[in-house]
Amino acid sequence: ETGVTQSPTHLIKTRGQQVTLRCSSQSGHNTVSWYQQALGQGPQFIFQYYREEENGRGNFPPRFSGLQFPNYSSELNVNALELDDSALYLCASSGGSGGRADTQYFGPGTRLTVL
Amino acid sequence: DQQVKQNSPSLSVQEGRISILNCDYTNSMFDYFLWYKKYPAEGPTFLISISSIKDKNEDGRFTVFLNKSAKHLSLHIVPSQPGDSAVYFCAAMPTGNQFYFGTGTSLTVIP
Repeated sequence: ETGVTQSPTHLIKTRGQQVTLRCSSQSGHNTVSWYQQALGQGPQFIFQYYREEENGRGNFPPRFSGLQFPNYSSELNVNALELDDSALYLCASSGGSGGRADTQYFGPGTRLTVL
Repeated sequence: DQQVKQNSPSLSVQEGRISILNCDYTNSMFDYFLWYKKYPAEGPTFLISISSIKDKNEDGRFTVFLNKSAKHLSLHIVPSQPGDSAVYFCAAMPTGNQFYFGTGTSLTVIP
């Protein structure tokens, strides 16, 4: 069984640029959630996708957007990068119905640095 | 506003003793709670969960206690082992699909 993978591992961008982060879900999982973890903080929920549709969103501006593909892999796109976007971005997959999903399997994260 | 709080950033415990990690929440709509463990350079790993209809859930060395009236939960690890050294996050869910995580407690188990 393949776990959750994320790419790239590390990324450096400059303010104003756009970035795309990628996530491959664990085999058989149809739900993916994205989180932002700033230094010294817990993960903050960005949004969740279930069967290619957005299924919930946290308190993040519209310049954070996502996609889920038919194979349930996912992308997180961030436009107009700001310095405060520097963080570890985690994706988590689960096999739930899009509602209560108690066991989310996390990837190792992508470390984004915005200069 | 931080709806889930872990007020102890770090904890050190001797091997073999009990580790107690605490978590407080403010939202009475939370009805499902989880603990995750995170090693450096890895994503968080699910450890144990509890529904609000229970006040205790046990899994091997790990027990989670929930006090709904105090809006408090705790994770007990007995006996603590050096491999338990990691950052522990508690998380809470209202009805729906959004997790709210605490800021984490770094546990060090001293051999």
